[in-house]
Amino acid sequence: NAGVTQTPKFRVLKTGQSMTLLCAQDMNHEYMYWYRQDPGMGLRLIHYSVGEGTTAKGEVPDGYNVSRLKKQNFLLGLESAAPSQTSVYFCASSLDSFVGGYTFGSGTRLTVV
Amino acid sequence: DQQVKQNSPSLSVQEGRISILNCDYTNSMFDYFLWYKKYPAEGPTFLISISSIKDKNEDGRFTVFLNKSAKHLSLHIVPSQPGDSAVYFCAASGNTNAGKSTFGDGTTLTVKP
Repeated sequence: NAGVTQTPKFRVLKTGQSMTLLCAQDMNHEYMYWYRQDPGMGLRLIHYSVGEGTTAKGEVPDGYNVSRLKKQNFLLGLESAAPSQTSVYFCASSLDSFVGGYTFGSGTRLTVV
Repeated sequence: DQQVKQNSPSLSVQEGRISILNCDYTNSMFDYFLWYKKYPAEGPTFLISISSIKDKNEDGRFTVFLNKSAKHLSLHIVPSQPGDSAVYFCAASGNTNAGKSTFGDGTTLTVKP
C-alpha cells in the first residue's frame, strides 16, 4: 500500500529558482491538501483541492501555485523560490471532507539558499 | 490569532503512567477534532478523533475528551509506552470547511523506560 507519495524527499534551491513538488495518492481520495511545517510550529495550509480540476487557497498561499489535473495527483509549484519558503512540505489526502483524518505523505524538506 | 493552541511544548512521563496532552481552541465553528502522531522524518499519522456531539472517544490505550463549554480537549494515553514518544498534534475542523484542518503547534511527548 503506497498511500500518499511525495517526490522529491529533499531539495536545495537557489533564490529565484522554480520547482514543482509532486504528490500522488492511490486511495481514490477526493480531497487533497498541501501543508508546510516550520520549526516549532504546527502545519499551515497552503492550498487544497476538493476534487479533480479544483483548487483553492489556504492560510498561506502566497508564492505557491497548485494544479490537480488528475484525481490522484496534486502538484505544488514555487515559481520564484525565496528563503522564507524553506520548510518541510506535507501533502495529505482524505476520502471524506469531515471524518477519518488525513493520510499524509512523508514530506519534502526544501531549503532555499 | 492562533485558533488551536497546545500550550505545552513538551511532556515527559514514566513508562506505564498516564500521559495527558492538552489542546484549546477559540473558534466555536469547529465541530470535529483530531489527534495526530508524528515521528521524526515521517509524516503525521492519524490517531483518534471526536465529533462535537460526543464528549469522549476511546480507542485502545488512547482516549480523547472534549469539553465544549471550555473549548478544550485532551488526549489520554494509558499506559504510556516508550514507542509513544513522538510529537502529537491537535487539529480542528468545521463541517463547512471542505475538510480543512487547523493544527496546533504540537507537544513533544517523551516516555522514559
